[in-house]
Amino acid sequence: QKEVEQNSGPLSVPEGAIASLNCTYSDRGSQSFFWYRQYSGKSPELIMSIYSNGDKEDGRFTAQLNKASQYVSLLIRDSQPSDSATYLCAVCFGSGYSTLTFGKGTMLLVSP
Amino acid sequence: DAGVTQSPTHLIKTRGQQVTLRCSPKSGHDTVSWYQQALGQGPQFIFQYYEEEERQRGNFPDRFSGHQFPNYSSELNVNALLLGDSALYLCASSLNYVGGTEAFFGQGTRLTVV
Repeated sequence: QKEVEQNSGPLSVPEGAIASLNCTYSDRGSQSFFWYRQYSGKSPELIMSIYSNGDKEDGRFTAQLNKASQYVSLLIRDSQPSDSATYLCAVCFGSGYSTLTFGKGTMLLVSP
Repeated sequence: DAGVTQSPTHLIKTRGQQVTLRCSPKSGHDTVSWYQQALGQGPQFIFQYYEEEERQRGNFPDRFSGHQFPNYSSELNVNALLLGDSALYLCASSLNYVGGTEAFFGQGTRLTVV
């Protein structure tokens, strides 16, 4: 069974702080990893993709991947109230053609 | 650049009825995947279409079927609706690439079965 695990939260951080969101996955052969942001009642929006070990930075967002530990994380620097949303971790297992397995998501609350 | 578009945005159906949802992929994308998202859950993969064929399927009954047209647009059909089919149905488009590439979602169709 291929699984993606996330802490459901909520994760509460003050405005301007760093938010750290974590995700573990079950299949060591996975190749592609994605973070989506989903506002209440809306569809998921892709914010980061990462394919190799290490860090990938895009603006205030940094994705970190450790394939040996089967762990992927998302850091949000200088968190803003507008970042309050559910963050979904998604993994493309094995040779899947962009078929994604999602975690249940972590709710992030950024207080002013 | 046109993103992924889905129609309708909201739908109310009666138990036992049939429903068809539609999706147009992002310009340049050739692969369409459908997901079901229940409240408080992550999206669950239903199936994926490429070159007008169902290429992969998740753990959904055959009441769920689909189609892809030559212009890459796609339909999701659900027969004999159950109350438990109430969910947000999401279409994602991507390029055909082994190991996965970025997938972009449409705005979704909120289906309510009463």
